[in-house]
This record gives sequence, structure tokens and C-alpha cells, in this order.
Amino acid sequence: EVQLVESGGGLVQPGGSLRLSCAASGFTFSSYSMNWVRQAPGKGLEWVSYISSSSSTIYYADSVKGRFTISRDNAKNSLYLQMNSLRDEDTAVYYCAREAVLDYWGQGTLVTVSS
Amino acid sequence: DIQMTQSPSTLSASVGDRVTITCRASQSISSWLAWYQQKPGKAPKLLIYKASSLESGVPSRFSGSGSGTEFTLTISSLQPDDFATYYCQQYNSYSLTFGGGTKVEIK
Repeated sequence: EVQLVESGGGLVQPGGSLRLSCAASGFTFSSYSMNWVRQAPGKGLEWVSYISSSSSTIYYADSVKGRFTISRDNAKNSLYLQMNSLRDEDTAVYYCAREAVLDYWGQGTLVTVSS
Repeated sequence: DIQMTQSPSTLSASVGDRVTITCRASQSISSWLAWYQQKPGKAPKLLIYKASSLESGVPSRFSGSGSGTEFTLTISSLQPDDFATYYCQQYNSYSLTFGGGTKVEIK
């Protein structure tokens, strides 16, 4: 059974940093590209970042470019999102999801940016 | 970036109704379109991919159609479990983009 489990969310002050993790199981993680998608409270879905299976290709949404860094460790079946210079508008539930068609999602981890 | 426009934003319907949601892309995305269902407090669930392919385990009352810039999601006979918010998403190119969502409410 495919499982994606996010962790690392929490309350952080504006300008602070946070590192999210996504633990994958039930499939050959190293064969699949991965994404981070977020959802602000009461709002729609927003794609955040993409990383290819080998980490050779990475994309970011303009809203996070230069502040967020996506990475993965295929040996540990894990995906990461390093978030720096956090802003109020980064407050959201962050999901990791597999492939461009987003066929599997984690349960999400809440990031709250507030003073 | 490709803009995705969904309509309506809210839809009131009764059990047994046929429901249609429309999604329009700002440029051609061929058939690289997916539909998701999301319930409160839960992650989105993939329903349809490649515009009209039903994801495994999804009831056959869900169907998708369209190509290019115009797409529809149809629920042939609305069931109590179907009251949720639905999103379209293009994966023709990065940045991935989503429609604004359609909330299907009980009439």
C-alpha cells in the first residue's frame, strides 16, 4: 500500500525557517517524481515545488522561489522541503504528492506563520 | 503559467441528480487534465486522469471528457458520499495549476 506521511509542521514567526519531511513507503520511491502542494485555510490548492526521481530537475512556484528548497534522499525514501524567510501567506497545510498527476497524497502537515 | 477556470464555484444538488462541472484552460493542454475530490480535513483524492481515465477504485458514476481547453466532470447520479469540493488540475507543463474548486452542496 502506498503511503506518504508528512511531518515537521508547526508554528513559526515571520522570517523564520522550517523543514518539512515526507516519508514514503509501499512503492519504489526512487522511480517517481514528487511534489509539494499547499492549501491555505479555507482556500484552494496551490502547487509549490517539483523534484524529478533523480533530483536532476527541480521547479518552484514563483511565490516560493528563492526561499524554499526541495530535496530528496532516495536511500531513505524521503522527500524534504526547506522553508526559509517564511511569510504570513505561507500559512497552509502542506501535502507531498506523487508524480505530476498527483496520484497519491499524504495527510498533510500544518504550517502556521504568525507572530 | 496556464490558468485553469472552474465553474460553477458552488453547486446545490440532490441525491440522484446528474451533476456537471466545467474546467477551462487558458491554452491547450491536450488531455493532460486530472480531477480530484476533497472532503473537509482530508487530502484530495484522484478521480480522473488524462481527462477521461477513471482512477482504480473510483465509482463508475464519475466520468470525465474534453481535450484542448474545455473539460467536464460528470457525476451521473449524485450519492451522499459525493458532497465535497472538486478540483481540476493541468499537468501539461510546470507550474502545475489547479482550478478554483467547485463545492457540491446538498440542496
